[in-house]
Amino acid sequence: DTGVSQNPRHKITKRGQNVTFRCDPISEHNRLYWYRQTLGQGPEFLTYFQNEAQLEKSRLLSDRFSAERPKGSFSTLEIQRTEQGDSAMYLCASSLGFSGGGEQYFGPGTRLTVT
Amino acid sequence: GESVGLHLPTLSVQEGDNSIINCAYSNSASDYFIWYKQESGKGPQFIIDIRSNMDKRQGQRVTVLLNKTVKHLSLQIAATQPGDSAVYFCAGVEVGYSTLTFGKGTMLLVSP
Repeated sequence: DTGVSQNPRHKITKRGQNVTFRCDPISEHNRLYWYRQTLGQGPEFLTYFQNEAQLEKSRLLSDRFSAERPKGSFSTLEIQRTEQGDSAMYLCASSLGFSGGGEQYFGPGTRLTVT
Repeated sequence: GESVGLHLPTLSVQEGDNSIINCAYSNSASDYFIWYKQESGKGPQFIIDIRSNMDKRQGQRVTVLLNKTVKHLSLQIAATQPGDSAVYFCAGVEVGYSTLTFGKGTMLLVSP
């Protein structure tokens, strides 16, 4: 399978705990995106990388959230001191970047439940 | 910023019918639009895209129409099949940016 993969697929955690998600993009894609999706809503942009550089962050990305892409390949998204409002599907996408967007391929997502 | 939304939350059709899903956008600076299909428990799947210098683009059984005058785009699915049942999102990209702004989605239900 050469698509975008995400791990874990499901995560249940208690409020206040830290969680980390991983995304492995399509290998030749230089851009990697993180989105958050709540039930019944479209995905909301969180942040994106071009290679290892984090180029844009949404205001949704509070200081409890941090993302890395250390070698320009896989990426991690960490949420510290989780809150119940963090419960959502966290989606990763990758693309061959060019100005104006480019087709983004999404992974299956990690569903986070904060109890 | 960009705001992209949909007119109808749910669309129910019979197998074999043609389906039309509509989307309105507010930011005239958007120059690239994509339709995604999302099945339950899965990430969004690319269907078709269109740039603002076009008003129509056709794929396999799907057609996207863009009307820049009224800031509206639609997705037409021909001969809808039960496997087309999913939530459909339109998304826009603003000139100079790379991130997608999604609308809320329309659920398409196809009855056999």
